[in-house]
Amino acid sequence: GAGVSQSPSNKVTEKGKDVELRCDPISGHTALYWYRQSLGQGLEFLIYFQGNSAPDKSGLPSDRFSAERTGGSVSTLTIQRTQQEDSAVYLCASSLKGRVGLAPRLETQYFGPGTRLLVL
Amino acid sequence: RKEVEQDPGPFNVPEGATVAFNCTYSNSASQSFFWYRQDCRKEPKLLMSVYSSGNEDGRFTAQLNRASQYISLLIRDSKLSDSATYLCVVNAPLGFGNEKLTFGTGTRLTIIP
Repeated sequence: GAGVSQSPSNKVTEKGKDVELRCDPISGHTALYWYRQSLGQGLEFLIYFQGNSAPDKSGLPSDRFSAERTGGSVSTLTIQRTQQEDSAVYLCASSLKGRVGLAPRLETQYFGPGTRLLVL
Repeated sequence: RKEVEQDPGPFNVPEGATVAFNCTYSNSASQSFFWYRQDCRKEPKLLMSVYSSGNEDGRFTAQLNRASQYISLLIRDSKLSDSATYLCVVNAPLGFGNEKLTFGTGTRLTIIP
């Protein structure tokens, strides 16, 4: 079946411009995560959507970053007034996980291929 | 203290050797644990879950020590194809029945021919 898809795969933008990154999770997955990974670094958690609950935005680095998840499916990560330090790979992941106590295998996160963002 | 901590490495290990990584976590309420693998310029993929009693999958063995709050990954008879970054993943209860998975920064492993 189809996995997680992200678009665009690559984005080059000028400092100060806004960018929108899109994530299409696996159908039926209730949880959706956004991460950022800079060159040679680990995954940095950005935001987490779980069903209809309020998203966990604790990882967003500044108020220039925002995300939406419409209809419990597609998500868009928006970066306003981009800065050079925003350059990174932005990864989206989804999982079936809904509630505490479900089998660990249901928490498996499936990652999209990422969007490579370069801010000049 | 970070929620999940790993030695970043790099670990440079000769082919055929055994290598082990540890990962510590800070939230004692964590319930689920995983190892993910990430190849260069690729997205992370699940390697194996970690169960309380420990579990094995071929050459890979995962262990959990709740008392000391760490998990480990052992790779036996290492292959060149094992070269990758290994990410430790731990859940973090958020309350109201929700959880969030937290990734470590990864341990880089290179198998040397």
